[in-house]
Amino acid sequence: ETGVTQSPTHLIKTRGQQVTLRCSSQSGHNTVSWYQQALGQGPQFIFQYYREEENGRGNFPPRFSGLQFPNYSSELNVNALELDDSALYLCASSLAQGSSSYEQYFGPGTRLTVT
Amino acid sequence: DAKTTQPPSMDCAEGRAANLPCNHSTISGNEYVYWYRQIHSQGPQYIIHGLKNNETNEMASLIITEDRKSSTLILPHATLRDTAVYYCIVRGLGGANSKLTFGKGITLSVRP
Repeated sequence: ETGVTQSPTHLIKTRGQQVTLRCSSQSGHNTVSWYQQALGQGPQFIFQYYREEENGRGNFPPRFSGLQFPNYSSELNVNALELDDSALYLCASSLAQGSSSYEQYFGPGTRLTVT
Repeated sequence: DAKTTQPPSMDCAEGRAANLPCNHSTISGNEYVYWYRQIHSQGPQYIIHGLKNNETNEMASLIITEDRKSSTLILPHATLRDTAVYYCIVRGLGGANSKLTFGKGITLSVRP
């Protein structure tokens, strides 16, 4: 069984640039969620994708967007980067069946630094 | 906002049981209690979850009070590798309710 993987591991960007982070879900999972974790804080929910559609969103502006592909891998895109976007970005995959969504398994994260 | 309350930190001796408390007094009837932990700079790791019955797996035991307003995660024989931030989370199962709302968690330090 393959776990959740994320790429890249680390990334440095300049304010105003755009960034794309990638996530491969655990085998058999059809739902992916993205979280942002600032230093010293717990992860904060950005959004969730199920069957290639956004299925819930946290308190993040539209410049945070995502995609889920038919193979259930996912991308997080952030436009017009701000210094406060510097954080660990976590992807989590899970299995949703019917009206239930089961435990989420996290990847190792991508550390984004905006200068 | 997080629906759970945890003390900020605790410690225990290696080899002893670590009992991590959590209050969730506003939990709804269809919400589960989940525990995750995060070792420094790694992704959170799923530990265990439960609805109202006590649960046990190879990592830990979860004890939920009868009124479901609080719970305790028990690591029966703590090791140095159990040093981490532990998050207690109340979560629904369906759709957007299945998101995880993390608080600050409790930092467990296991001492030799």
